Amino acid sequence: RKEVEQDPGPFNVPEGATVAFNCTYSNSASQSFFWYRQDCRKEPKLLMSVYSSGNEDGRFTAQLNRASQYISLLIRDSKLSDSATYLCVVNIRNTDKLIFGTGTRLQVFP
Amino acid sequence: DTAVSQTPKYLVTQMGNDKSIKCEQNLGHDTMYWYKQDSKKFLKIMFSYNNKELIINETVPNRFSPKSPDKAHLNLHINSLELGDSAVYFCASSLRAGTSGADTQYFGPGTRLTVL
Repeated sequence: RKEVEQDPGPFNVPEGATVAFNCTYSNSASQSFFWYRQDCRKEPKLLMSVYSSGNEDGRFTAQLNRASQYISLLIRDSKLSDSATYLCVVNIRNTDKLIFGTGTRLQVFP
Repeated sequence: DTAVSQTPKYLVTQMGNDKSIKCEQNLGHDTMYWYKQDSKKFLKIMFSYNNKELIINETVPNRFSPKSPDKAHLNLHINSLELGDSAVYFCASSLRAGTSGADTQYFGPGTRLTVL
């Protein structure tokens, strides 16, 4: 079983739609959580950290459920420029390692 | 003013050759990393150095040898290249180690290695 699991997609949505991605992690020692974004043939870039109480950054909302070991990302009012692969990332307590999911691909169409 | 840079961007070589990839960061970070992203897009850490000291060494064949001449540079040397080494290799850096990964990691543009 992978340490961080994501639905690979692709999710094909029209502009303006709301889309949600889910992620589960298996290591209960996971301490910090992130969503990274990776454009085609580019490097991953931090989109946002995920806090226990949930957090929002503009059109993006991240949620964490430690009991269920589940993380989500909600994108409202999708833009064409949101088309990318979204990587769920987990850090294990007392290590500097980031464990990446395989990513969920989003394609926003006009 | 690129933050994390890698050279070369593309590398095509024959099986059995030895090659190096270079990475430099100008962010003043203490910690640098090498990741491998395979054809299935799975990104996996290989090594991490904190201020020239190796702190993470995942299960990687010993044909792969990282070298950090100073904290701004982390190079990756690969001996006796194999077909399965074909992948994109990303360098990354973060401010410091020992903070349980709380610091953002900044990635370089990647080196696309193709072994023929």
